[in-house]
Amino acid sequence: RKEVEQDPGPFNVPEGATVAFNCTYSNSASQSFFWYRQDCRKEPKLLMSVYSSGNEDGRFTAQLNRASQYISLLIRDSKLSDSATYLCVVNKGNYGQNFVFGPGTRLSVLP
Amino acid sequence: GAGVSQSPSNKVTEKGKDVELRCDPISGHTALYWYRQSLGQGLEFLIYFQGNSAPDKSGLPSDRFSAERTGGSVSTLTIQRTQQEDSAVYLCASSLDRGEGNQPQHFGDGTRLSIL
Repeated sequence: RKEVEQDPGPFNVPEGATVAFNCTYSNSASQSFFWYRQDCRKEPKLLMSVYSSGNEDGRFTAQLNRASQYISLLIRDSKLSDSATYLCVVNKGNYGQNFVFGPGTRLSVLP
Repeated sequence: GAGVSQSPSNKVTEKGKDVELRCDPISGHTALYWYRQSLGQGLEFLIYFQGNSAPDKSGLPSDRFSAERTGGSVSTLTIQRTQQEDSAVYLCASSLDRGEGNQPQHFGDGTRLSIL
């Protein structure tokens, strides 16, 4: 089993739709969680950290369920500019060498 | 800007040549990472530096790959005797690393390496 798994995608949704991505991780000792987005032929960029109580940033909501070892990202009122690959990232420990990137889920928002 | 800077942006070279890629992290970031990404694929971890030392070299694909970091800042990734399968985008990232694990990585634009 991979350490971090994500919905395989791709997701093709119309503008204005709500879309949710799921991510699961295998190491129960994982400490920190993040969502990144990566545009085609660009570098990954931090979208948001994921906090235990869940957090929201505008149209984006992240949730963490430690018991189920599950992270989600919800995008409301999707825009064309949201089209990208979304990467789930887990830090297994206290130090940087334990970052693990998921394979990503590709989203295409269609006009 | 004060982001992660990588050079060159693009490198085209012949098979068998050596290449050196450079990464200048965000000032004050103690942790530095190298990844590579082939077209349409996920990130492949190569190496991680904490300060000048590399506690994790497990991702380096072969002994043709080496990396160093001096002065706790700039890092170079060297690939000797390049092969066509080395063609990829090489990404560098840096982060604060206070032993809390909650500091995200910030990426440079990458170096697109093409081996002819």
